[in-house]
Amino acid sequence: IAGITQAPTSQILAAGRRMTLRCTQDMRHNAMYWYRQDLGLGLRLIHYSNTAGTTGKGEVPDGYSVSRANTDDFPLTLASAVPSQTSVYFCASSVTGDTDTQYFGPGTRLTVL
Amino acid sequence: GQNIDQPTEMTATEGAIVQINCTYQTSGFNGLFWYQQHAGEAPTFLSYNVLDGLEEKGRFSSFLSRSKGYSYLLLKELQMKDSASYLCAVMDSNYQLIWGAGTKLIIKP
Repeated sequence: IAGITQAPTSQILAAGRRMTLRCTQDMRHNAMYWYRQDLGLGLRLIHYSNTAGTTGKGEVPDGYSVSRANTDDFPLTLASAVPSQTSVYFCASSVTGDTDTQYFGPGTRLTVL
Repeated sequence: GQNIDQPTEMTATEGAIVQINCTYQTSGFNGLFWYQQHAGEAPTFLSYNVLDGLEEKGRFSSFLSRSKGYSYLLLKELQMKDSASYLCAVMDSNYQLIWGAGTKLIIKP
């Protein structure tokens, strides 16, 4: 693989269910990010990780959790999905967590009913 | 609060020039990014400005004035494939990107 992959591509989920969105990068980037994109709004940062073993909260972290067990993987978990979490989710990575360019995965379109 | 403003939608003609403006108010400034996003796809990097002035990259140029909290993206010799949304994002004092809602650019033949 080259770059960032996300899975699944899309998912329809019943409210209250648990869901993990997967993100893997093969660029050996230290920093990784999860954003959500909603119509009419800019991308909003959910969680980030500047290096393996560390995570931080972004602008809209409530209802989401992340882990960073290794450099390549950065899964995002919705413990109990709600309809307001219907969105397109993008994972991104950058060499470091400062001014480096962020590169985005193809996104996961999630619908919570 | 932090705020990034850009027009919601613009229309231009193939072969012409278009300027997309972005104004910002953020807590701290560590550079401004422009990304392109085609419908249903991921954002892709276009440019980064941290110092005042114009950065030219082929048909695309980006300008920054830190004192005015202002940037623009200039697209020359427009092609139909330039139809996309253009996202302005500012890196704040915590090195987090604050994003505008994007400008949808429609190119007409």
